[in-house]
Amino acid sequence: EVQLVESGGGLVKPGGSLRLSCAASGFSFSNYNMNWVRQAPGKGLEWVSSISTGSNYIYYADSVKGRFTISRDNAKNSLYLQMNSLRAEDTSVYYCARAPGYCSSGSCFYFMDVWGKGTTVTVSS
Amino acid sequence: EIVLTQSPGTLSLSPGERATLSCRASQSVSSSYLAWYRQKPGQAPRLLIYGASSRATGISDRFSGSGSGTDFTLTISRLEPEDFAVYYCQQYGSSRWTFGQGTKVEIK
Repeated sequence: EVQLVESGGGLVKPGGSLRLSCAASGFSFSNYNMNWVRQAPGKGLEWVSSISTGSNYIYYADSVKGRFTISRDNAKNSLYLQMNSLRAEDTSVYYCARAPGYCSSGSCFYFMDVWGKGTTVTVSS
Repeated sequence: EIVLTQSPGTLSLSPGERATLSCRASQSVSSSYLAWYRQKPGQAPRLLIYGASSRATGISDRFSGSGSGTDFTLTISRLEPEDFAVYYCQQYGSSRWTFGQGTKVEIK
């Protein structure tokens, strides 16, 4: 079964740090780009960061650039998000998502086809 | 940055009715970069449509997507109980991903 399982969420004080993990199983993790997406309580979805298969291409939303670091370990089938200088507005459910980015017949398609259940991060004093 | 605006914010319909959801982009979007997701309460989003009109694996043919340029539509032909949820459109461009603010489909 294709599966993504996030962990590492919790309660942290403003200015603190947290490291999220996402364990992948049931597919060849090293062949897929991966994303982190978050959702604040009662709000919509917000893309956070992306990483390519070999970690050569990494991108961040402006809201987290300079504070968050995405990484992956293909040998361990794992994706990570190091979050520093956390703020109250970072409070969200954080999802990891597979982003195939496949090309066919001259067109390339970008979407997120597998999602984890999410891990909750609460930033509060 | 491309902004996606979904309308209406809330759609009140009865089971069996047809739902039409709109997603408008602030500038032209490649159709192959446009996707739709459904999110039930307390669950992760699920991919419904990619490439503006291709159904994802396992998705019922009640769901169809259309559109190009700046205007895209998700149509649910006959609403089933599990379709009452929030729907998001998503686009990819310039190495960034953006989502619409969502349309809630609620039971009338």
